[in-house]
Amino acid sequence: GIQVEQSPPDLILQEGANSTLRCNFSDSVNNLQWFHQNPWGQLINLFYIPSGTKQNGRLSATTVATERYSLLYISSSQTTDSGVYFCAVDQRNYGQNFVFGPGTRLSVLP
Amino acid sequence: GAGVSQSPRYKVTKRGQDVALRCDPISGHVSLYWYRQALGQGPEFLTYFNYEAQQDKSGLPNDRFSAERPEGSISTLTIQRTEQRDSAMYRCASSFPSGLTGELFFGEGSRLTVL
Repeated sequence: GIQVEQSPPDLILQEGANSTLRCNFSDSVNNLQWFHQNPWGQLINLFYIPSGTKQNGRLSATTVATERYSLLYISSSQTTDSGVYFCAVDQRNYGQNFVFGPGTRLSVLP
Repeated sequence: GAGVSQSPRYKVTKRGQDVALRCDPISGHVSLYWYRQALGQGPEFLTYFNYEAQQDKSGLPNDRFSAERPEGSISTLTIQRTEQRDSAMYRCASSFPSGLTGELFFGEGSRLTVL
């Protein structure tokens, strides 16, 4: 099955810093989502981005499907950005079976 | 409802007991998914439904696990004869439209602890 890698595995930032999280996948995909798991365990949708670029406030994401990677950019980080960021991909044309990467654990220090 | 609702939020049970976890998807979402998440790991796929039909159950770990969605809305994940290794967060997600590309929305999960 498809393999999903995320880097870095852990990241510590000072509040206000910028960061880039990367997701690599081993085969072509139909769907890709980025999620934020906050310290309370909630999985929050960030982006549904099978290709192209999207922005939402301080966050933006780019997926280059032909090169099998996606990037999540966090600018002016805040302590509330702390948690685990997951990339999930699906490669089925019909039906979905999203495969999650191992996540990047982000800690933003005040 | 407005979001995916799961119950119970927390369940503690003794080894050997059966448990049933419930998921109420977002109104109008025809696809429903079950995932399991161990501590420190990403969610792992268990099974999914389009309407009432179970389309894929390849992720169910063994025959103690089963799921149903009899009327195409609420779903129940049942674990029989629970074992300590079943302890995890069980997450439900829904999406729309049926079978095509669609964004997954997760509930808050049911945390199962087997003593």
